[in-house]
Amino acid sequence: KAGVTQTPRYLIKTRGQQVTLSCSPISGHRSVSWYQQTPGQGLQFLFEYFSETQRNKGNFPGRFSGRQFSNSRSEMNVSTLELGDSALYLCASSLAQSSYNSPLHFGNGTRLTVT
Amino acid sequence: GENVEQHPSTLSVQEGDSAVIKCTYSDSASNYFPWYKQELGKRPQLIIDIRSNVGEKKDQRIAVTLNKTAKHFSLHITETQPEDSAVYFCAASSPGGGADGLTFGKGTHLIIQP
Repeated sequence: KAGVTQTPRYLIKTRGQQVTLSCSPISGHRSVSWYQQTPGQGLQFLFEYFSETQRNKGNFPGRFSGRQFSNSRSEMNVSTLELGDSALYLCASSLAQSSYNSPLHFGNGTRLTVT
Repeated sequence: GENVEQHPSTLSVQEGDSAVIKCTYSDSASNYFPWYKQELGKRPQLIIDIRSNVGEKKDQRIAVTLNKTAKHFSLHITETQPEDSAVYFCAASSPGGGADGLTFGKGTHLIIQP
């Protein structure tokens, strides 16, 4: 069974631009969550989706948004990029309805660099 | 919201010795405590998890203990091997998830010295 796939692997953007990241969960997994990983802050929760509905949202500004499609694929968007948005963005899928209390299967992440 | 503290940030042990990583959490309602291992340049992977109705869980050389009263949990790795070198993250979640989702500690860089 294929794992969680994230595209692209690397992105370089300029301040003020916007970016869209994509995530395809493991087949059969309907729950997708997103995390931001930085050296200083570790892994921080962005949001969680189940059956196209956002179930929870972390403490990030409104510039960070996401959505989930009927095939469980998910995208996250960051608008008006800031230097501090440079990070590894990890997507994780879960077989359970609630991703926060069941094993997460992470993708390899998208490395975003904002210059 | 939930807050997870993890110690130490770096741990160096001799191959064959044991390693212990400790985490504390703040929300007494938290009931799920997983541990993830992230090797350099790779994705985090679940190595073991424990729920609040269990005090200890073992899987070969890895064990996790939970003390709900003190709100802390620990990862124990025995007979460490070179492939154990990685960053380990503890995490905690409350039943509702909320704005915290799964709250991670800041990680422990485990170095196995040959």
